[in-house]
Amino acid sequence: DGGITQSPKYLFRKEGQNVTLSCEQNLNHDAMYWYRQDPGQGLRLIYYSQIVNDFQKGDIAEGYSVSREKKESFPLTVTSAQKNPTAFYLCASSHLQGRGSTEAFFGQGTRLTVV
Amino acid sequence: QKEVEQDPGPLSVPEGAIVSLNCTYSNSAFQYFMWYRQYSRKGPELLMYTYSSGNKEDGRFTAQVDKSSKYISLFIRDSQPSDSATYLCAMSARPNQAGTALIFGKGTTLSVSS
Repeated sequence: DGGITQSPKYLFRKEGQNVTLSCEQNLNHDAMYWYRQDPGQGLRLIYYSQIVNDFQKGDIAEGYSVSREKKESFPLTVTSAQKNPTAFYLCASSHLQGRGSTEAFFGQGTRLTVV
Repeated sequence: QKEVEQDPGPLSVPEGAIVSLNCTYSNSAFQYFMWYRQYSRKGPELLMYTYSSGNKEDGRFTAQVDKSSKYISLFIRDSQPSDSATYLCAMSARPNQAGTALIFGKGTTLSVSS
């Protein structure tokens, strides 16, 4: 089945640690995105990538880093510089505009908690 | 003014009611409009996708886009307890606009009681 897989489902981070959230898709989508969801805040864009080896900052990129070495994979690292990392993280992918419909499909999310 | 406004609710209705969910937006460049449903602690799932103005129907769900008013709606007919979830509107600009990521509303929480 085609889809987006995020792992792990739950992640606990100690103060000062970097952690990496995995996102893999087999939908042959060019574009991939990371969003953060907090209660009452909706989805806020962290980073997005339209092509391998290229990515753009979203609205709340500080304290996060990404890589896009393969089309299928877009891991997100939450660094120690992110002061309030406890949140629900969602990865999504879509075709690029002009190359098919642009709706985004989401993974099931990773809930990160600082302990 | 935020780009996309959505009343967070909560909205509570009895089973069988018609539900109307709405979003307004400020960016006239938006051309692609989506509605997602999100159950608690799950990722959003796409419900409806429309391009430009008009209506689209899929079973009990109808999406409407009024670009002149910068207003989109999702109607749910014969609502069921299984429709209880958070509904997120999302939109994106034309291809020649900078940036291709979706802009989301904050979501409306719907509760359908049996």
